[in-house]
Amino acid sequence: DVQLVQSGAEVKEPGESLKISCKGFGYTFSIYWIAWVRQMPGKGLEWMGSIYPEDSDTRYSPSFQGQVTISGDKSITTAYLQWSSLKASDTAKYYCVRPERSGDLFGVFAVWGQGTMVSVSP
Amino acid sequence: QLVLTQSPSASASLGASVKLACTLSSGHSTYTVAWHQQQPEKGPRFLMKLNNDGSHNKGDGIPDRFSGSSSGAERYLTISSLQSEDEADYYCQTWGTGVLVFGPGTKVTVL
Repeated sequence: DVQLVQSGAEVKEPGESLKISCKGFGYTFSIYWIAWVRQMPGKGLEWMGSIYPEDSDTRYSPSFQGQVTISGDKSITTAYLQWSSLKASDTAKYYCVRPERSGDLFGVFAVWGQGTMVSVSP
Repeated sequence: QLVLTQSPSASASLGASVKLACTLSSGHSTYTVAWHQQQPEKGPRFLMKLNNDGSHNKGDGIPDRFSGSSSGAERYLTISSLQSEDEADYYCQTWGTGVLVFGPGTKVTVL
């Protein structure tokens, strides 16, 4: 089965750094873009950015450019989302998601991870 | 600008049908959308890909009572024979050059 499995919930203080992960199973990880999507409490879904693990080509939504860093390691079929200095407003659930077709930056988001809750408070 | 519009809420009785709309912004009426379901306290789940001509492809294990249709800039998701587990938020999603967009979601309540 194709799956994306994310790292567990995190509780952090403002100013701390954080890196969360998303591991792919059951498909050729390197040739599918992986996107990160934010969902703030009680709100909708927002695309943050995407990475192509084969060559680490990365694209960001203008809203998130400079706020987070997306990276990946195709040798261990894992993508990452990281913050260098968290803010309270980063409190949200973060999902990784894979498009339906290999090589498509966007397209139908067909495979979702289970989500990672990040809570930031003093 | 590529924007998706959805009504904030919809409701119908157990066993009835409900039809949700997702409207594409002007100039984007031929775009394909995807529908996703998010049950309470769960992550989103892909339901179907819905094309401009109304043809649709559902995700694995999605029941037959979920169907899609299109008319102009409208993309519809119909849920027939509503079950209690259908109470959820439903998001449409589309994409363009350099941009990926979600609709604001429709909360479906099963009465």
